[in-house]
Amino acid sequence: TQLLEQSPQFLSIQEGENLTVYCNSSSVFSSLQWYRQEPGEGPVLLVTVVTGGEVKKLKRLTFQFGDARKDSSLHITAAQTGDTGLYLCAGGASGTYKYIFGTGTRLKVLA
Amino acid sequence: NAGVTQTPKFRVLKTGQSMTLLCAQDMNHEYMYWYRQDPGMGLRLIHYSVGEGTTAKGEVPDGYNVSRLKKQNFLLGLESAAPSQTSVYFCASRDGVPSEQYFGPGTRLTVT
Repeated sequence: TQLLEQSPQFLSIQEGENLTVYCNSSSVFSSLQWYRQEPGEGPVLLVTVVTGGEVKKLKRLTFQFGDARKDSSLHITAAQTGDTGLYLCAGGASGTYKYIFGTGTRLKVLA
Repeated sequence: NAGVTQTPKFRVLKTGQSMTLLCAQDMNHEYMYWYRQDPGMGLRLIHYSVGEGTTAKGEVPDGYNVSRLKKQNFLLGLESAAPSQTSVYFCASRDGVPSEQYFGPGTRLTVT
């Protein structure tokens, strides 16, 4: 069974601080996605990475896919209160149409 | 376009009752998924479909059945609800891999 562990599980920081969220597995994934979920809503895609070592930037968010395609990180620079939410990573299982979701990181950014 | 819609939004069942959750998408996507979300466990895949008339088991299929008679609809059934099935259920669709999954707003189900 493929598992994705996210750390930390909870994070509370002040506005303006930087943070990194990690997504780790012992399995290799064909691609990895990061989603953000607001309370009472479904997750919304932030980014997809498909190549080992790939780095993608989305304004203040930087996403990296590990060289071995087993792990990923999300770095937020100068966090804002609007970044508050649940961040989920999801790994694409090779040879299938399934995505395995991580356990989630709940981020709260305080003004 | 409405995207992905789910009905109902909330439901309370007694143990042993049955119900069907409906997911509809208007994006002509081939792939559809049912997940459940429990505190501290992220999203877990229940069943999925790679096209009209096809279904497959995910990580936690026990106690659930699905049908995909029409391309735009994916139904999730609980034949005999149990308290362990209290959860928030999300439906999602996509048009390929590794494309974006579009999620519905969720159904909050409580089984007493």
